[in-house]
Amino acid sequence: RKEVEQDPGPFNVPEGATVAFNCTYSNSASQSFFWYRQDCRKEPKLLMSVYSSGNEDGRFTAQLNRASQYISLLIRDSKLSDSATYLCVVNDKSDSWGKLQFGAGTQVVVTP
Amino acid sequence: ETGVTQTPRHLVMGMTNKKSLKCEQHLGHNAMYWYKQSAKKPLELMFVYNFKEQTENNSVPSRFSPECPNSSHLFLHLHTLQPEDSALYLCASSQNSHEKEKLFFGSGTQLSVL
Repeated sequence: RKEVEQDPGPFNVPEGATVAFNCTYSNSASQSFFWYRQDCRKEPKLLMSVYSSGNEDGRFTAQLNRASQYISLLIRDSKLSDSATYLCVVNDKSDSWGKLQFGAGTQVVVTP
Repeated sequence: ETGVTQTPRHLVMGMTNKKSLKCEQHLGHNAMYWYKQSAKKPLELMFVYNFKEQTENNSVPSRFSPECPNSSHLFLHLHTLQPEDSALYLCASSQNSHEKEKLFFGSGTQLSVL
């Protein structure tokens, strides 16, 4: 079983619509969670951290469900520029150094 | 511009060649990383350096040899690679290795091994 699993997509989203997708993680000891964004042929960039209480950054909302071991990302009012691959990242911190696990990414394509 | 610069952007090499990838960060960070990204697969951590000391080698074959002369520079020396080593190699930095989640990546080197 993969440590971090994501639906690869693509999620085809009309401009202005809302899209949401999840990421599941296998290690219940995981302590911190993040979403990174990677544009085509570019490097990953930190999009947002995911807090236990959920957090919002503009049109982006991240949620954590510890009981079911998944995090989610919701994008409202999608823009063409939101087209990218969204990487889920989990730090299990099973030791003092922690171990960062990346998902393979969910591709989002926003269409005019 | 992320503050992490990688060269070259693209590299094609034969299995008998020796080449090096270079990474430089201008962020004043103390931890640097090499990651491998193959198509449709998660990023795989290869090496971690914290304050110039290697703190992690993630069972990487010896045909990949890292070098970290100072906290701002990181190299990945390549020799006798295999076609399956073709991938995007990403360098990243963070304030230190305890803040590894907040990574700043370079643009990567797209490597093709023939």
